[in-house]
Amino acid sequence: EIVLTQSPATLSLSPGERATLSCRASQSVSSYLAWYQQKPGQAPRLLIYDASNRATGIPARFSGSGSGTDFTLTISSLEPEDFAVYYCQQRSNFGPGTKVDIK
Amino acid sequence: EVQLVESGGGLVKPGGSLRLSCAASGFTFSSYSMNWVRQAPGKGLEWVSSISSSSSYIYYADSVKGRFTISRDNAKNSLYLQMNSLRAEDTAVYYCASGRGGVGAIFDYWGQGTLVTVSS
Repeated sequence: EIVLTQSPATLSLSPGERATLSCRASQSVSSYLAWYQQKPGQAPRLLIYDASNRATGIPARFSGSGSGTDFTLTISSLEPEDFAVYYCQQRSNFGPGTKVDIK
Repeated sequence: EVQLVESGGGLVKPGGSLRLSCAASGFTFSSYSMNWVRQAPGKGLEWVSSISSSSSYIYYADSVKGRFTISRDNAKNSLYLQMNSLRAEDTAVYYCASGRGGVGAIFDYWGQGTLVTVSS
């Protein structure tokens, strides 16, 4: 079974700053990795699929990169609505999440 | 606009059963795989089960195998999850999600979820 590890667990930043979130897989997953955003009380939302493709309607400030075992989600300039929990996912496996909160 | 609306959650005693439904609209339901994902209170996301567009392929997490049954009715644009022998650890918000990129690969659109509480 593939295990996904996310770091950091919490990222404290200010609006306008750049956020860099990491997801590491225990074995190669090629480019088959997705990222989701979840705000309190809401369902998750697909942001990125196949490591680097933005889902429909996702702003360009969100970008994904990586392949094999190491992946990154970057938010180029944080907007107030971006403070949330972010999960990476590969098939039946989800990472534990990274919470991006306001500094 | 894609809409997924779950129903059927509630309070059930350990060992009991519950059937969740997910009504889909705004897309060609019969062309897409579908999934159930759950989230225990204050915890992360856990994949539960996936079903292909024609029901030919079905997958379950080990934690629910033998107790839960996923099914769909393409004529009614509906997805179901029959949950038997429920345990306290099944307490969670259950989300249905449409799929893309293969069965259980990517969870494209999500419903708002329905809460299942297993408690005596």
